[in-house]
Amino acid sequence: GQQVMQIPQYQHVQEGEDFTTYCNSSTTLSNIQWYKQRPGGHPVFLIQLVKSGEVKKQKRLTFQFGEAKKNSSLHITATQTTDVGTYFCAGYPSGTYKYIFGTGTRLKVLA
Amino acid sequence: GAGVSQSPSNKVTEKGKDVELRCDPISGHTALYWYRQRLGQGLEFLIYFQGNSAPDKSGLPSDRFSAERTGESVSTLTIQRTQQEDSAVYLCASSSHMVSSGRSTDTQYFGPGTRLTVL
Repeated sequence: GQQVMQIPQYQHVQEGEDFTTYCNSSTTLSNIQWYKQRPGGHPVFLIQLVKSGEVKKQKRLTFQFGEAKKNSSLHITATQTTDVGTYFCAGYPSGTYKYIFGTGTRLKVLA
Repeated sequence: GAGVSQSPSNKVTEKGKDVELRCDPISGHTALYWYRQRLGQGLEFLIYFQGNSAPDKSGLPSDRFSAERTGESVSTLTIQRTQQEDSAVYLCASSSHMVSSGRSTDTQYFGPGTRLTVL
């Protein structure tokens, strides 16, 4: 079946270090979304990427959608303790009508 | 309302009992999703409603799980004869789900979830 995997599963970084999570789909995606879930909270939408090779930035966060529309990445520059949480990608496979969430990457930032 | 609401926020039940979880989506949102999230795990798709179309039930793990939605409003997820492995947070999300050229262009807004514990 359709799967969306994320690596790494866990990442601990020192405050100020950079962080990257990768999202890989077994099928081509129409678009991809990224969500952040704080500990004890619910997922909150961050951004959506639609075009092949698209890059979007939100302050210290950079999102990229692969040329083949099967992978994506989220890069955080100079992490802060407020970045702590689990980051999920959610892919929308072509020809389907539902999002498939990735397995998530749990980020811990050490002060 | 201002956002997606779910009730109850916490539910503790005994193995074998039935439970009903409720989701109130954002007014005007035609799409509604139910997900299950076990402790420390990702989101597991359960069921999807879109307007008056037949729901996509492909994620329901067993016939003990069912869900209903009246039009574009409230949805209820029912778990019959609960088992300990049903313990999880059940999340509901809604979106206006505009489909353009075969792709969704909308954000999913999540409710706070219902934490279900089966003893």
